[in-house]
This record gives sequence, structure tokens and C-alpha cells, in this order.
Amino acid sequence: ETGVTQTPRHLVMGMTNKKSLKCEQHLGHNAMYWYKQSAKKPLELMFVYNFKEQTENNSVPSRFSPECPNSSHLFLHLHTLQPEDSALYLCASSSQGGTEAFFGQGTRLTVV
Amino acid sequence: GEDVEQSLFLSVREGDSSVINCTYTDSSSTYLYWYKQEPGAGLQLLTYIFSNMDMKQDQRLTVLLNKKDKHLSLRIADTQTGDSAIYFCAESGDNYGQNFVFGPGTRLSVLP
Repeated sequence: ETGVTQTPRHLVMGMTNKKSLKCEQHLGHNAMYWYKQSAKKPLELMFVYNFKEQTENNSVPSRFSPECPNSSHLFLHLHTLQPEDSALYLCASSSQGGTEAFFGQGTRLTVV
Repeated sequence: GEDVEQSLFLSVREGDSSVINCTYTDSSSTYLYWYKQEPGAGLQLLTYIFSNMDMKQDQRLTVLLNKKDKHLSLRIADTQTGDSAIYFCAESGDNYGQNFVFGPGTRLSVLP
């Protein structure tokens, strides 16, 4: 248990569906991240939020929409996804100037 | 951009030592990390080393850093079947924002 909780753990959705992934941490961290992990590529950083402000968007398609309402919660809103978006989506958090990132268990997403 | 490379597979016999290697390109890396991912789980931080250190030892784990060659290694002594997992090397050079860059991961298989 790392203190970072992701829900749901597994998600199957159709290409026309809209769903959201949730990440929550109560570690007092002020930076939160979304990573994508697939069989074809190493961990890809998608988005970074610092103090609720998005500071990094690594050319992620607009069908992925992040939201950070406060420093403890991070969402990833999904709509009109493609089968190649099927992957493990990992959330992480860290403190500013901290030395490590704490990861959640991930959400295994399958797009059908 | 920054890049982190690792060999993808490693097999060792139970009781032997495992050495997982990593190379990185960012000369301004401040911290270098080893994360472990077990099947169906998120990433768990194993250990990290600050860039001004050459070596760090933590029980069965020894991390060696050759900053000149930008080479990082993780040695696991007396490898056990429970050590079978994917090991990710990562670096961060940006203290603010903690933009971690991960390698592709090395799948360690421990044979009885």
C-alpha cells in the first residue's frame, strides 16, 4: 500500500463510452501524474500537475482529459477511445523537491 | 530528449546474484531510481541514489552509479523467486515538477 489509490482497478469500455479514472492520495503531496504503460512502450508520462496546475502535457490526444480539482485528487476523463488506448494507467504523486514518486496500483483499461 | 535504456530480460538461478543494468542520457539527472513491478500491481520504489553518490547498499540491494558513463546498475544478492518482477530504472533531473523518465523495464525471471 503506497498511499495512492486508483479506481477502478479494471475497466472495459466501448469506443463510444465516456468514463473517468480516479486517483487519490492523502500523503500531502502537491504533484500528481498520469502515466500510461502498454506492452509496446515503456512508461509514458501523460500529464503532470503541480499545485493543481497542469505543468506538462506530453502530446496526449484530446480524447484524454485530465482534471485536478485539488492537490489530493486527480481524474482522467476518457471519451471516444481507440482499441490502441488499452493499457495500464498509473497515477503517481510526489512532494515538491521530494525524491520519489509513489504509484497507485493502476487501472487496467480495455477498449473494445 | 532524455532517454533511459535497459535490457528487457534477465534470467538467474535462485540463490545467485542478479545484476540489472541501465543507461541514461540526461547529464543533469539529480536522482536515479529503481522501481519494482509485480504482476497486476503498480510500481514500488525499491531504492534510489543521489547523483553525487557512487554506491548505495540496502540489505540485499546494491546500487552502483557511474556518472561519467551514465550507467546505473542494481545488484540483488541471493535472488529469490519472490524477486521475479519487472524492474524499472528511472531518472529525474527536474527538482520542481519531478518529471520522471523511465526505462522500458527488465523482466527478471528467477529459476528454481
